[in-house]
Amino acid sequence: DIQLTQSPSTLSASVGDRVTITCRASQSIGSWLAWYQQKPGKAPKLLIYKASSLQTGVPSTFSGSGSGSEFTLTISSLQPDDFATYYCQHWLTFGGGTKVEIK
Amino acid sequence: EVQLVESGGGLVQPGGSLRLSCTASGFIFSDYWMTWVRQAPGKGLEWVALINQDGIEKYHEESVKGRFTISRDNAKNSLDLQMNSLRIDDTAVYYCARDLVVSATHDWFDAWGQGTLVTVSS
Repeated sequence: DIQLTQSPSTLSASVGDRVTITCRASQSIGSWLAWYQQKPGKAPKLLIYKASSLQTGVPSTFSGSGSGSEFTLTISSLQPDDFATYYCQHWLTFGGGTKVEIK
Repeated sequence: EVQLVESGGGLVQPGGSLRLSCTASGFIFSDYWMTWVRQAPGKGLEWVALINQDGIEKYHEESVKGRFTISRDNAKNSLDLQMNSLRIDDTAVYYCARDLVVSATHDWFDAWGQGTLVTVSS
């Protein structure tokens, strides 16, 4: 089974910062990776699919890159609404999550 | 507008049963794979079960195999999860989600319900 390892597990940042989250797969998965945002008490929300495709309605401050076994989610300028937990996903496996906190 | 609404959660004793339902609207339900994902309190997301468009192909996470069964009724736009022999570690919020399956192992979950809480406790 493929494992997904996210880093860091927690990230402290300020509004306006550029933020990068990494997801590493235990074997090559091509470009088949998705990213989700989850706020406390809410359902996850799809941000990125196929590693770099932006879901409709998601701000362009979010971007995804990578292929094979290493992927990144970048928020180019952190906004107050972006403080949340982010998960990567491939098939039936999720990464452990990265919590983006206010610095 | 795509909507998924879960119901059926609640408090149940260890060893008990519960049936979760998810009612879909705003899209052609029978065109999509559907899935259940759960989240234990303070923990990450965990996939539970997956079903294809006509309900023939079903997959269950190893820890729930033999205890949980996913099913669907396309005439009623409904997805179910029958949970038997519940354990304390099944306590979680259970989400239904629409699964855009492009091909084997190539998918993403593009719509989610609000979740329903299942608490297993004596």
